[in-house]
Amino acid sequence: DQQVKQNSPSLSVQEGRISILNCDYTNSMFDYFLWYKKYPAEGPTFLISISSIKDKNEDGRFTVFLNKSAKNLSLHIVPSQPGDSAVYFCAASATPGGYQKVTFGIGTKLQVIP
Amino acid sequence: EAGVTQFPSHSVIEKGQTVTLRCDPISGHDNLYWYRRVMGKEIKFLLHFVKESKQDESGMPNNRFLAERTGGTYSTLKVQPAELEDSGVYFCASQGLGTEAFFGQGTRLTVV
Repeated sequence: DQQVKQNSPSLSVQEGRISILNCDYTNSMFDYFLWYKKYPAEGPTFLISISSIKDKNEDGRFTVFLNKSAKNLSLHIVPSQPGDSAVYFCAASATPGGYQKVTFGIGTKLQVIP
Repeated sequence: EAGVTQFPSHSVIEKGQTVTLRCDPISGHDNLYWYRRVMGKEIKFLLHFVKESKQDESGMPNNRFLAERTGGTYSTLKVQPAELEDSGVYFCASQGLGTEAFFGQGTRLTVV
């Protein structure tokens, strides 16, 4: 039973355009949400996070939106760059800061086309 | 500052053999996690150490898996005896106070 769902296995976007990656979750106990980026043969790298008390968090080209009523979060990357091509994992935790296990989605492979 | 280091990067063993994976966390990080990704699936939690104590081992698949963190520094994850379904990439992550979790590059385990 997947508690964090990423329904799009892949996404292709032109360089300079916006990339939007979506994620749904089912566990109401999740309190803290994260996005990780992963390149081949490397471990996941933390990208951005959001607490359930917020609905938006922005860090440079990356913005995460949280819709608690819909149990959905999305990651916006604008403008998209070729170096953004990677697998993006949505993740969630039941504690602020994630000081316990994190539940991951299956990942969305983003390809940014030059 | 050194990141999270995992050894070996790749291991191929026969079914029934034993394999030990090692993780060296970032110095000073009390929290250490093990995760596993089976081909094409999500990254799944295995267990969480706080210093040398097991905080949560709810994700350990069965008693063929044994994790230790002696002295609260590096950690090992032993699989004995290995089965075909144990194949996957094993990630270790460490987390300090006020930081996010940092992942190692992973150990790709192939059981044949």
